[in-house]
Amino acid sequence: TQLLEQSPQFLSIQEGENLTVYCNSSSVFSSLQWYRQEPGEGPVLLVTVVTGGEVKKLKRLTFQFGDARKDSSLHITAAQTGDTGLYLCAGRISSGSARQLTFGSGTQLTVLP
Amino acid sequence: DSGVTQTPKHLITATGQRVTLRCSPRSGDLSVYWYQQSLDQGLQFLIQYYNGEERAKGNILERFSAQQFPDLHSELNLSSLELGDSALYFCASSVGAGNNEQFFGPGTRLTVL
Repeated sequence: TQLLEQSPQFLSIQEGENLTVYCNSSSVFSSLQWYRQEPGEGPVLLVTVVTGGEVKKLKRLTFQFGDARKDSSLHITAAQTGDTGLYLCAGRISSGSARQLTFGSGTQLTVLP
Repeated sequence: DSGVTQTPKHLITATGQRVTLRCSPRSGDLSVYWYQQSLDQGLQFLIQYYNGEERAKGNILERFSAQQFPDLHSELNLSSLELGDSALYFCASSVGAGNNEQFFGPGTRLTVL
């Protein structure tokens, strides 16, 4: 069982469409990160959110941290083919001694021309 | 280019064998993290070293071990390999030991036949 559940697992859309991917957990996180991973490469950090309810924007990408710090969403406006990749959320648990990053299972996004 | 280098890029070996994966962190980074990425388990944290000392342990099997050398490069040793060990192995580095941004290398793809 994954501590962080991501949905959908796969998403294929046309260029120009909007999309939202979700990251959910029953645990509270002190911070949550979103990464994008392309084939043959390691994950690259996109954003870190730390405050419940926080919204961060990175060009066409909007990231939101849930009020209870248990979930997050990534919204992409007017998707481009260059957005294709594996999107991973990762969190640090708020309680206990384990402060390592726990990754979700990922959303594989394909943007078609 | 994250500044983290990993060798080899690909490794094919047989069950029961032992292999060593190598990682050089970004210049100035003292922490090295090892992760395993497989299709069924996603990206799993294995172990962290900080300035030569083991800092945190995740889901690392007893057949696996790691070390960080005085020049801060790290090696992950995998022994008595099984088919299920086939995966991508990523190294990441960060400046400090805690909640700093992690920069991932390009990974080593291990195939156990």
